[in-house]
Amino acid sequence: SAVISQKPSRDICQRGTSLTIQCQVDSQVTMMFWYRQQPGQSLTLIATANQGSEATYESGFVIDKFPISRPNLTFSTLTVSNMSPEDSSIYLCSVNIQENTEAFFGQGTRLTVV
Amino acid sequence: KQEVTQIPAALSVPEGENLVLNCSFTDSAIYNLQWFRQDPGKGLTSLLLIQSSQREQTSGRLNASLDKSSGRSTLYIAASQPGDSATYLCAVRFNAGNNRKLIWGLGTSLAVNP
Repeated sequence: SAVISQKPSRDICQRGTSLTIQCQVDSQVTMMFWYRQQPGQSLTLIATANQGSEATYESGFVIDKFPISRPNLTFSTLTVSNMSPEDSSIYLCSVNIQENTEAFFGQGTRLTVV
Repeated sequence: KQEVTQIPAALSVPEGENLVLNCSFTDSAIYNLQWFRQDPGKGLTSLLLIQSSQREQTSGRLNASLDKSSGRSTLYIAASQPGDSATYLCAVRFNAGNNRKLIWGLGTSLAVNP
């Protein structure tokens, strides 16, 4: 299994500002993912964080809005840029120790934009 | 289109009852299926992972079954407790298409009443 520490757990931010969310894993993992969960909805994949290269973004998500870093095999950050109230969601970091195996999640970051 | 559906959307039961949560998927060619638990405003906890070759998995009071031919999985919770109250999510990796990303149901919100 994998233990994931995600910070911050929650934040209230002013519109137009940016927030960086950190995800730290207790072991080296191949795949790291960032998800968004809007109120009352299920999870939507934002991007796959690739170590040593640019993240791979899903349709509807762009690097300028959600820049991602993956400096090594245990750490990643997601920045939510130029926030608006529509960005209010839970943001979740997820890992697979090996490709297509069991997925593990962090505790989530509950973001409210006012 | 590959989709995952969970029924019912919400369920309320008295403590001690045995209950079944349902997950159906549109394509029988799956790689694996995973059940998660999510407490309000929090991250996801992995409950059970069933590989395509398996029929069921058990962990404590939880038992998950898989019937690929009918496109169904069930999560059985025995002797339910108030602490089981949470949203239960089903996610499927299909063999083809979507690059084996997790496809998510909308979840079943469970309330176990003392």
